[in-house]
Amino acid sequence: DAGVTQSPTHLIKTRGQQVTLRCSPKSGHDTVSWYQQALGQGPQFIFQYYEEEERQRGNFPDRFSGHQFPNYSSELNVNALLLGDSALYLCASSPSGQGDYGYTFGSGTRLTVV
Amino acid sequence: QKEVEQDPGPLSVPEGAIVSLNCTYSNSAFQYFMWYRQYSRKGPELLMYTYSSGNKEDGRFTAQVDKSSKYISLFIRDSQPSDSATYLCAMVIYGGSQGNLIFGKGTKLSVKP
Repeated sequence: DAGVTQSPTHLIKTRGQQVTLRCSPKSGHDTVSWYQQALGQGPQFIFQYYEEEERQRGNFPDRFSGHQFPNYSSELNVNALLLGDSALYLCASSPSGQGDYGYTFGSGTRLTVV
Repeated sequence: QKEVEQDPGPLSVPEGAIVSLNCTYSNSAFQYFMWYRQYSRKGPELLMYTYSSGNKEDGRFTAQVDKSSKYISLFIRDSQPSDSATYLCAMVIYGGSQGNLIFGKGTKLSVKP
């Protein structure tokens, strides 16, 4: 049973460019959340997608946007990249509804902005 | 004041030691508490999940929650070199998938053989 798959693994972009990160959730999971983890910090919540809509959003600017597809996979887009956007971007999937907190994280995409 | 405070360490212990990792929080609305383990260059992996105050045990791991003190702990017994990783506490207000996790900074643990 494949867990959460993220691509690419590593990425180097230039300041001002745009980037798209991709996530395939764990089988049976329909909710996808994105987190940003700066070096030496805990992950910070960016947003969550459920039923192809953004359900919750953290304290991130509009440069960060996302999408969820009918097969539950998701994309994170970041426009006008800043040096401070360099971080590990984590995708977490979970089943909807109540119950055990089944957040499963992928290994992340390490983004470096130069 | 950050919502979740966690001593970043690093913490170095000899193999076989008992390890105690702690987090404090300020928001009394948090109801669900988790501990994640993160190896270098990997995503966080859920270790323990607790809801109420008290202890929960799983093998060598024990999670403890004291809501009155807004304090949570993770104990690792008979620590092994393979336990060397960063340990993140996380908490959330709502159950199910509706809440966003609030993480501590993580404590880097090194278990020496």
